[in-house]
Amino acid sequence: GAVVSQHPSRVICKSGTSVKIECRSLDFQATTMFWYRQFPKKSLMLMATSNEGSKATYEQGVEKDKFLINHASLTLSTLTVTSAHPEDSSFYICSASLRGVTDTQYFGPGTRLTVL
Amino acid sequence: QQPVQSPQAVILREGEDAVINCSSSKALYSVHWYRQKHGEAPVFLMILLKGGEQKGHEKISASFNEKKQQSSLYLTASQLSYSGTYFCGTGGSGGATNKLIFGTGTLLAVQP
Repeated sequence: GAVVSQHPSRVICKSGTSVKIECRSLDFQATTMFWYRQFPKKSLMLMATSNEGSKATYEQGVEKDKFLINHASLTLSTLTVTSAHPEDSSFYICSASLRGVTDTQYFGPGTRLTVL
Repeated sequence: QQPVQSPQAVILREGEDAVINCSSSKALYSVHWYRQKHGEAPVFLMILLKGGEQKGHEKISASFNEKKQQSSLYLTASQLSYSGTYFCGTGGSGGATNKLIFGTGTLLAVQP
């Protein structure tokens, strides 16, 4: 149980294009989904928190107009990197949690984005 | 504020023990431990909620000190499969978004 998928697993795009990453909770309904960014050999940095049906809450320093998050249902959240540039190249990971006593987060397998 | 983990990296031989520490400058609502292998998603290990709590399964256990500002992860009789980067994720008041702030990470390499 508690499986989270991400698609695509790897994407290479040209500078200036937009990329959409999907995050799905496969066997549970996630009240909250989180988006992280991870640089090589570094920790996970929280980008934003999204709750189904409401606007995402972005962490300080994260451009909400560049990283668009949509949480359309209890099992799907999307992250769109708009007008991507080489500095946006990174490993993007989502997680999903079911609010409760433990609020455990279950992570997707991640998406490797390379912007040329 | 990002929790600080120590050590930054540790190399073990199979069968040896290790302790990984996670420290915060303020009291925490919860501590979550994850292990991440290179290029993969973090895998949940365990969560501690109460000051003074200790929890474990098989040869991996963890503690959360009384003041709830430090947690330690204990790996005993390490196996090759324990290799990876360990992160603690700390929760704040728990009232609003249940978000976690991840620590600096500890790279563990277990050698034959």
